[in-house]
Amino acid sequence: EIVLTQSPGTLSLSPGARATLSCRASQTLTYGDLAWFQQKPGQVPRLLIYGASKRATGTPDRFSGSGSGTDFTLTISRLEPEDFAVYYCQSYDDSRTFGQGTKVEIK
Amino acid sequence: QVQLQQSGPGLVKPSQTLSLTCAISGDSVSSNSVAWNWIRQSPSRGLEWLGRTYYRSKWYIEYGLSVKSRITVNPDTSKNHFSLQLNSVTPEDTAVYYCAREPNYWQSFDLWGQGTMVTVSS
Repeated sequence: EIVLTQSPGTLSLSPGARATLSCRASQTLTYGDLAWFQQKPGQVPRLLIYGASKRATGTPDRFSGSGSGTDFTLTISRLEPEDFAVYYCQSYDDSRTFGQGTKVEIK
Repeated sequence: QVQLQQSGPGLVKPSQTLSLTCAISGDSVSSNSVAWNWIRQSPSRGLEWLGRTYYRSKWYIEYGLSVKSRITVNPDTSKNHFSLQLNSVTPEDTAVYYCAREPNYWQSFDLWGQGTMVTVSS
């Protein structure tokens, strides 16, 4: 089963800053089946990115995903107040596993 | 507009069976492209995929390794819903349980139920 390791655990940034979140897989995701979710307190996870780089419906274009193989990145170009949340990566090629999450907090 | 509505008890006694249902509106449990999933979330285990069911000319059901010996996921075409049963629960199974849709094989979980907090306690 694939293990996903996210870093950093917490990212402290100011509104307007650029956020770079990392997700490393223990095995190659041959087809790039990697998704990113955003979760705010008391809310359901929301799909942002699938296929490593494709924005889901309604995802603002300040969110971008990149990467292949075992290393993937979620970038938020300029943080808006509503972007402070926990972000999870998730693989769905064969097994379905989630990373442990990166919290993006206001500095 | 597709919606998933979860139902089931919020409190289960240790060693008993946890049972939840996810009612689908605006889509079909028998859709040939969709898969229907159960996921849970707890502070100790994070987000954990439990299992799924889907129809591709016949029914398929798949389970996560961590719960494989205790879980049953079933579709119900007459009610257009799918269910989760988790046997022999312990306090470790205390979590928020979600149902979720995978609209196709390339897109992951695009729609989630509202979540059900299930506590395992006597």
